[in-house]
Amino acid sequence: DAKTTQPPSMDCAEGRAANLPCNHSTISGNEYVYWYRQIHSQGPQYIIHGLKNNETNEMASLIITEDRKSSTLILPHATLRDTAVYYCIVRTQGGSEKLVFGKGTKLTVNP
Amino acid sequence: EAGVAQSPRYKIIEKRQSVAFWCNPISGHATLYWYQQILGQGPKLLIQFQNNGVVDDSQLPKDRFSAERLKGVDSTLKIQPAKLEDSAVYLCASSLGTGFEQYFGPGTRLTVT
Repeated sequence: DAKTTQPPSMDCAEGRAANLPCNHSTISGNEYVYWYRQIHSQGPQYIIHGLKNNETNEMASLIITEDRKSSTLILPHATLRDTAVYYCIVRTQGGSEKLVFGKGTKLTVNP
Repeated sequence: EAGVAQSPRYKIIEKRQSVAFWCNPISGHATLYWYQQILGQGPKLLIQFQNNGVVDDSQLPKDRFSAERLKGVDSTLKIQPAKLEDSAVYLCASSLGTGFEQYFGPGTRLTVT
């Protein structure tokens, strides 16, 4: 079973920031938070991951709470092409633990 | 850099027939994964290879599913005989090694009638 809880769907206006929450209250000290997204009819795409510090790359920012029980993926200026299912996953890094996908959050960016 | 290649993209078969899917991972990636994604759900790992050895096949229905990666590069996933509940998208992914970011192919959409 997935170790995370996400809202099933969210809407966002084009050009605005999209903030996708994820709850992972049972995360252990050596587990990272990973985010993938899946655009319709494509395979999942890696976005970002982090342990406890906030992370930013060219695609998104990841904000992890101090107690690490929840996180937020931020798409600073959402575009129509960001419409996708976003998956939040917790796992160890470098280990053999597999990715366990839940149902994710369906983000719809509206014009 | 070329991505993960999969073929065919679509396949329709009748139940009890057999089918095979092919995957060519990103060059240099030692780890290869096959996932099954049923409509409305997230992908579920079926089998993981490290080079040509199996790391995890705990969720592979071994009575009907088989997979191989003989030369440690490309891989095939076979279903024989197919059931209606096997209708899904079959995704292949690869990574530099276990625990690294996974890169997914476009998937093969299988419909069993």
